[in-house]
Amino acid sequence: EAQVTQNPRYLITVTGKKLTVTCSQNMNHEYMSWYRQDPGLGLRQIYYSMNVEVTDKGDVPEGYKVSRKEKRNFPLILESPSPNQTSLYFCASTRRNTDTQYFGPGTRLTVL
Amino acid sequence: DQQVKQNSPSLSVQEGRISILNCDYTNSMFDYFLWYKKYPAEGPTFLISISSIKDKNEDGRFTVFLNKSAKHLSLHIVPSQPGDSAVYFCAASVGGAQKLVFGQGTRLTINP
Repeated sequence: EAQVTQNPRYLITVTGKKLTVTCSQNMNHEYMSWYRQDPGLGLRQIYYSMNVEVTDKGDVPEGYKVSRKEKRNFPLILESPSPNQTSLYFCASTRRNTDTQYFGPGTRLTVL
Repeated sequence: DQQVKQNSPSLSVQEGRISILNCDYTNSMFDYFLWYKKYPAEGPTFLISISSIKDKNEDGRFTVFLNKSAKHLSLHIVPSQPGDSAVYFCAASVGGAQKLVFGQGTRLTINP
């Protein structure tokens, strides 16, 4: 089954404790993205990657890092999480020159 | 600066009637528009899209209309069904689906 998976689905952590949210897709898509969803703001793009070792900032990249060492994986790294990064995070992937992005199920992160 | 706006946070429609969801945008460079549907605890799923060279696209019960002069698009659902109850996001991009800018979302409730 074609899908985008994220882990963990839920995470409660404390300020300053480094964490990684994993994202994996099995569709051989070139493009992958990370979004955060906040009430009243919709989904905002954090980072995106056009292929292995090619990444770029989205609209809200501050406080986040990403890497793309393999085509299928695109982890999101919070080196020193802060309470304003409490949010619902979505990973997405898409094939080059196609209609749509496919989204993972989401990771709800709470930073205390 | 919200480039894509959905000014109605919620909409309630009777089953069998037409649901009309609206979206406005400010960036005249946007040339591709999409609608996504989101159920609780799931990622957004693609619904329908339209290129700026068209003014209408239809897929079963779903039709998207684009008015470029007004920088406005709308999603029509006819007839509305209980399973259509969800949050709907419009999104826009320049040159393809890789980098999407989302609206805030509209929660649609279909009443029996």
